[in-house]
Order: sequence, then C-alpha cells, then structure tokens
Amino acid sequence: AQSVTQLGSHVSVSEGALVLLRCNYSSSVPPYLFWYVQYPNQGLQLLLKYTSAATLVKGINGFEAEFKKSETSFHLTKPSAHMSDAAEYFCAVSASGYSTLTFGKGTMLLVSP
Amino acid sequence: DSGVTQTPKHLITATGQRVTLRCSPRSGDLSVYWYQQSLDQGLQFLIQYYNGEERAKGNILERFSAQQFPDLHSELNLSSLELGDSALYFCASSVGQQTVTDTQYFGPGTRLTVL
Repeated sequence: AQSVTQLGSHVSVSEGALVLLRCNYSSSVPPYLFWYVQYPNQGLQLLLKYTSAATLVKGINGFEAEFKKSETSFHLTKPSAHMSDAAEYFCAVSASGYSTLTFGKGTMLLVSP
Repeated sequence: DSGVTQTPKHLITATGQRVTLRCSPRSGDLSVYWYQQSLDQGLQFLIQYYNGEERAKGNILERFSAQQFPDLHSELNLSSLELGDSALYFCASSVGQQTVTDTQYFGPGTRLTVL
C-alpha cells in the first residue's frame, strides 16, 4: 500500500521568501506523485505531477517539485511567496496509472506581508 | 471554476437521516470520483465510477452508496447518518480512468453537518 506524509500541518513564510512544503512517500512500487492546492472554500486544483519522466517537475503559479528516490521525497518549492499562495497544499500518491489517489493530511501555507 | 458542479453547497440534517449529494461532471468527462474531507481523517477517496460503472472503491462505509446515471451525473447517498459523517464531500471528474494521464477536476464540495 502507498502513503504520503506531509511534515508540518502549518508553514508560515513572509511574502517574497522561499516556500518549501515537505512530502515523503511510501510505496512498494515506483510511485506517481501529485501536489494539489485548495484555496479557501474551493475544491482541489492540480499543481503538478511526477510521472517518472523528469525528476524536476514544474507546475502552475511558479511551483516546482523534485522527485528524490533515495530520500523518498517529493517536496514542493517556490522561490518567492506571494500573498495569493496562501492555501492548503496536499501531496498525493498513486501506485499505478489506474490506481486511486492517496492524499496526505495537508499543509496550510500562511503568507505574511 | 473547474466545471464540476455539486449541489447542495450546504446540508444540515439530524442523526439517523438520509441525504443525497449530487454531482455533475465537466462536459465530456466520463469518470466521477467521490471524496470525503474531515478534520480527523483528512481527504479520503470513497468511490469512482466510469461511464456508469463502478471502477474503484475506497474507504466507503456500507451506509453510503453511489451511482452514475446515463447522463453521467452522479449521486452519493448517505444513510443512517451519524455525527461523525459531518464533513466536506467532494466530487471530481476526469476524461478517462487513468490517474496519471487524466487530471481530476474537483467541484466546490458539499458541506454536510449532522446534528
């Protein structure tokens, strides 16, 4: 079975600072990994996904994530935080192309001026 | 706006009751997924339908059931409701069945409160 662990239920950064949201996965097979964002009172939106091609994946809104097999990690980063990035971020894993998504508990990103 | 619609937005009911949540997928999408989001359990996959047929089952209770109709809209039925069923229920849709290639688009959710 596959699972993801997101370290830190809340992360606070200042506007313009680096954003780093951590995700570690557990999977018995090479995983597919995803990051979703949930803005207040909205559904989830896909930010980016790793599908075993390039290990560095670029997504929307300036976010990117790097798949590191040796560390079983898929951390999400953005060089410079913007106020509009304040939201909850979910890491998810799938064991195969037809498997369902297993989500982490989420990390709330708070951005202060 | 993802193009996925869910009704109602809010639902308040009592323990023991039965409710129906409705989801209309994006135009052209054949798969519908249901998720439950609660503070203690997080976001959990419940069930998936593809073109009217059940494709995958997750942590869905026996008191819950779902179906997808010929027009591809889906309904999630929750019966004998308990306080612990209070949660945000999301519907998502995608073109096909593949998790990797077919992006899931999420609706705004239905917030269920059981009193």
